[in-house]
Amino acid sequence: SQQGEEDPQALSIQEGENATMNCSYKTSINNLQWYRQNSGRGLVHLILIRSNEREKHSGRLRVTLDTSKKSSSLLITASRAADTASYFCATDVSEWNYGGSQGNLIFGKGTKLSVKP
Amino acid sequence: GAGVSQSPSNKVTEKGKDVELRCDPISGHTALYWYRQSLGQGLEFLIYFQGNSAPDKSGLPSDRFSAERTGGSVSTLTIQRTQQEDSAVYLCASSLVRQTSNYGYTFGSGTRLTVV
Repeated sequence: SQQGEEDPQALSIQEGENATMNCSYKTSINNLQWYRQNSGRGLVHLILIRSNEREKHSGRLRVTLDTSKKSSSLLITASRAADTASYFCATDVSEWNYGGSQGNLIFGKGTKLSVKP
Repeated sequence: GAGVSQSPSNKVTEKGKDVELRCDPISGHTALYWYRQSLGQGLEFLIYFQGNSAPDKSGLPSDRFSAERTGGSVSTLTIQRTQQEDSAVYLCASSLVRQTSNYGYTFGSGTRLTVV
């Protein structure tokens, strides 16, 4: 079953606006990561937040984590056309044994962000 | 190398043929992962290697899929008797340690496999 679920599935905004994407997950985690993918190819690691952290910043990115609600959000401020991509959350459950391991990182289906100039 | 290198970048094959996909991870990265991504979908875990330990093959969808990692570096994913449902982008990633407590994964650009 899917561990991470992003919301919304698609988001269209104007350049300069902020973009917020959410991720919900089901099991306890070691950390949660966000990745970006352009044109269905390789993913680029954006930011990692550990389970004992609540908020993290990196440039125009802000990530929050609420372990009680099993959710995370990614905020991109002052968006640019170049931010157009798919964004995935991925949960690292490596410290918990769930049997039938799906590997260290379990990815959601992603949010497709379109930033219009 | 500077990044994770995958080859070929695109592969079209006839149904029933075998294919080999190659991944060259970042030098020194002990962990290597294979994922596949069908059109518009998330990433599906296939297999991962960590150092000299036995690989975690729990994500391989059938016995037509196999992978090896020679000398703790280059990995080859082999799909035998390909089927149309095998069509996807196959992504390889590597990381410094098994537990990604401090680092994310570095992905290659993927191999787009089309089975006709």
